[in-house]
Amino acid sequence: KAGVTQTPRYLIKTRGQQVTLSCSPISGHRSVSWYQQTPGQGLQFLFEYFSETQRNKGNFPGRFSGRQFSNSRSEMNVSTLELGDSALYLCASSLGDFLNEQFFGPGTRLTVL
Amino acid sequence: AQRVTQPEKLLSVFKGAPVELKCNYSYSGSPELFWYVQYSRQRLQLLLRHISRESIKGFTADLNKGETSFHLKKPFAQEEDSAMYYCALRDQGAQKLVFGQGTRLTINP
Repeated sequence: KAGVTQTPRYLIKTRGQQVTLSCSPISGHRSVSWYQQTPGQGLQFLFEYFSETQRNKGNFPGRFSGRQFSNSRSEMNVSTLELGDSALYLCASSLGDFLNEQFFGPGTRLTVL
Repeated sequence: AQRVTQPEKLLSVFKGAPVELKCNYSYSGSPELFWYVQYSRQRLQLLLRHISRESIKGFTADLNKGETSFHLKKPFAQEEDSAMYYCALRDQGAQKLVFGQGTRLTINP
């Protein structure tokens, strides 16, 4: 099986812009979770989608949003970018049952200038 | 609030020596605990989970609810164990993982 893929792998934006990141889960996986990784805060949960519905949400401002399509692919969007949004954004997919393992993608490195 | 604490940011041991990476958690219910590992230039991957009670690559971890700890142990470290290790907690009934800050383990030859 192909692993979780994320595009693009690297992205440079300027403050005030918006960005969309994409995640393709492992075939058959219906749950996609997003995490932000920074040196200061570590890995923090953003949100989780299951069957096109947001099932869990972390403590991030409304500028961070996401969606999931019928094929389980997911996108996350960050509007009005701030310097502090510079981070590695990871997505993870799983079958969706609460005991299932999450498989992580390689991440998208976002730099905000 | 849920919290995972890994007190050591860096840990360096010699090959063949025992390794223990500490993890303490704060959670009011019955958490599910994990250890994830990230080798150089590789993606984050699951090492082991407490419900499996397995030994993976020689590593074991025991959940101690009294001490709210889930320390990762290996009796004889190998150079290929050098990596970043994250302890994580999952709320029962949710896919959300709460991660510790990670410990960078270096095994010296």
